[in-house]
Amino acid sequence: LQLQESGPGLVKPSETMSLTCTVSGGSISSSSKYWGWVRQPPGKGLEWIGSVSYSGSAYLSPSLKSRVTMSVDTSKNQFSLKVSSATAADTAVYYCARAGKEELRSEFDYWGQGTLVTVSS
Amino acid sequence: QSALIQPPSASGTPGQRVTISCSGSSSNIGSNFVYWYQQLPGMAPKLLIHTNTLRPSGVPDRFSASKSATSASLAISGLRSEDEADYYCATWDDSLSKVFGGGTKLTVL
Repeated sequence: LQLQESGPGLVKPSETMSLTCTVSGGSISSSSKYWGWVRQPPGKGLEWIGSVSYSGSAYLSPSLKSRVTMSVDTSKNQFSLKVSSATAADTAVYYCARAGKEELRSEFDYWGQGTLVTVSS
Repeated sequence: QSALIQPPSASGTPGQRVTISCSGSSSNIGSNFVYWYQQLPGMAPKLLIHTNTLRPSGVPDRFSASKSATSASLAISGLRSEDEADYYCATWDDSLSKVFGGGTKLTVL
């Protein structure tokens, strides 16, 4: 299984950041596992953004849920992240990942390589 | 401030055994499984331990973990230079959120 993030590397402040994770080597809808996003600001630790099921049910970090949207496109074997009203604090490497078990609390066992998104004018 | 507290740094010499602690609360570690990730420089995190103590296929048995009440720890025995990385503990918090520790930078002297 492989995951690959894609999207603009530069976003202007107040705009919406959009990222897509393309899954290969397996189908998003082949099981009830969750698909998630984790970010890491430069030089800092990991932060969970949220997770989405293959059916599109999203569970979001309480600290970000007012600005975050997640969705799934099973026809393209992709899932997506949108973060609105971006600020410099959203500058980070964004990782997509797959849960290892069919439950929201599960660990992430497969990760994408990550993509750096910089919020700057 | 992370929900899970880890020491910012740890170190050891080759062959030594080192441990990294992770302290939480009853709403996270106390009632959920703990996971550990290894992040080599410039790389994505890699799952090291799941379900408190279990190693995924391919992870050397030099890596072990334990959990007690609201704390957990990762042990690395027979330390090797390639173990130099950042290590993160993680779990689920009953406030409906995945939480990570702040990370521990392991230096092999």
